[in-house]
Amino acid sequence: DSGVTQTPKHLITATGQRVTLRCSPRSGDLSVYWYQQSLDQGLQFLIQYYNGEERAKGNILERFSAQQFPDLHSELNLSSLELGDSALYFCASGDNGYTFGSGTRLTVV
Amino acid sequence: QKEVEQDPGPLSVPEGAIVSLNCTYSNSAFQYFMWYRQYSRKGPELLMYTYSSGNKEDGRFTAQVDKSSKYISLFIRDSQPSDSATYLCATGRLGGSQGNLIFGKGTKLSVKP
Repeated sequence: DSGVTQTPKHLITATGQRVTLRCSPRSGDLSVYWYQQSLDQGLQFLIQYYNGEERAKGNILERFSAQQFPDLHSELNLSSLELGDSALYFCASGDNGYTFGSGTRLTVV
Repeated sequence: QKEVEQDPGPLSVPEGAIVSLNCTYSNSAFQYFMWYRQYSRKGPELLMYTYSSGNKEDGRFTAQVDKSSKYISLFIRDSQPSDSATYLCATGRLGGSQGNLIFGKGTKLSVKP
């Protein structure tokens, strides 16, 4: 157990739907990072939050949004889902050397 | 040019072999260099972390960074079947609340008994 908790582990949903992925960082970590991993693109950085504030943005689509709550857990919201959004979504926490969660496997059908 | 390039393999070696995994990066401002191991359908696990040129050793693993040529390597000695996984290099500028890591696409390693 890495200390970073992601739920749910698996998600199957239809195109056009909206889903929320949840991440609880390791105890004491203020930073949360979201990554998308697909077979052809590898690990792609989406967005970073630090202590509730957005700090860095990567290749995140406008249909995706995230937030970090006062208790430091974070949620990644994916809307108007397309088949191409099917991927593994990872959350990581930490400032020097990230610790990853076990991921959420999203399948859009 | 991609910021981090890594040969995807696959790489297949016999048990006990020395494995060499490599990446190149393009941005000379990158300060931190990491290697992650990812087993199938699991999250990446941090193996090695360094911020300077030279070698860093941890058990059977040695990470090597050459900032002048923007080249990073991971060597695995006495490889074991349990080392079979995808290895991801990562680099970037970190520190405090800012920055993010850029990952290579990973090299898939298979160690045959």
